[in-house]
Amino acid sequence: EPEVTQTPSHQVTQMGQEVILRCVPISNHLYFYWYRQILGQKVEFLVSFYNNEISEKSEIFDDQFSVERPDGSNFTLKIRSTKLEDSAMYFCASSELLVVNFGAGTRLSVL
Amino acid sequence: AQSVTQLGSHVSVSEGALVLLRCNYSSSVPPYLFWYVQYPNQGLQLLLKYTTGATLVKGINGFEAEFKKSETSFHLTKPSAHMSDAAEYFCAVSNAGGTSYGKLTFGQGTILTVHP
Repeated sequence: EPEVTQTPSHQVTQMGQEVILRCVPISNHLYFYWYRQILGQKVEFLVSFYNNEISEKSEIFDDQFSVERPDGSNFTLKIRSTKLEDSAMYFCASSELLVVNFGAGTRLSVL
Repeated sequence: AQSVTQLGSHVSVSEGALVLLRCNYSSSVPPYLFWYVQYPNQGLQLLLKYTTGATLVKGINGFEAEFKKSETSFHLTKPSAHMSDAAEYFCAVSNAGGTSYGKLTFGQGTILTVHP
């Protein structure tokens, strides 16, 4: 069964450093998303991406965040200058329409 | 604005017992409702969804949920728990009238423990 794959599974970075989280969505899906879950809190929507542009973003998704689909298969989330509070599990997801398929997540630890 | 409340962050049942995980939602427009399950070190897997039509929906692994508009609820049930059901379960709502069906609002999750 096709799945969303995310790399790395765990990323450790120093505060202030840039980090790129990578995802390969399901190949025939057109909608792409990033969610995050801070430890002990709810899974939160960050951004949706369709037709090579952001279609919707949450208040969390400020200027420190950006997304890109650099080629036909990858979808990335960049955090320009990481803060301690960016430590969380980041989930990539993709969908055709209603059914959203999630990856296993990347645990980001900012030290 | 939408919101989801899952009553009980931890639920513990015996193998073979009824599983009931509670979910209440708030939405200003007709909602699409979902239950996801997360096993350790895995992604969120869709169990079932309600969009329109029949209010009792069946999902994978013997789970089902009933949409009750009057109670704004979408509780998840399974008649007989199995050890393999131990996982974290998330209820989520999507805005059926929105431009992004995949913009899900999640509840805080319920960890299900199954005892032998």
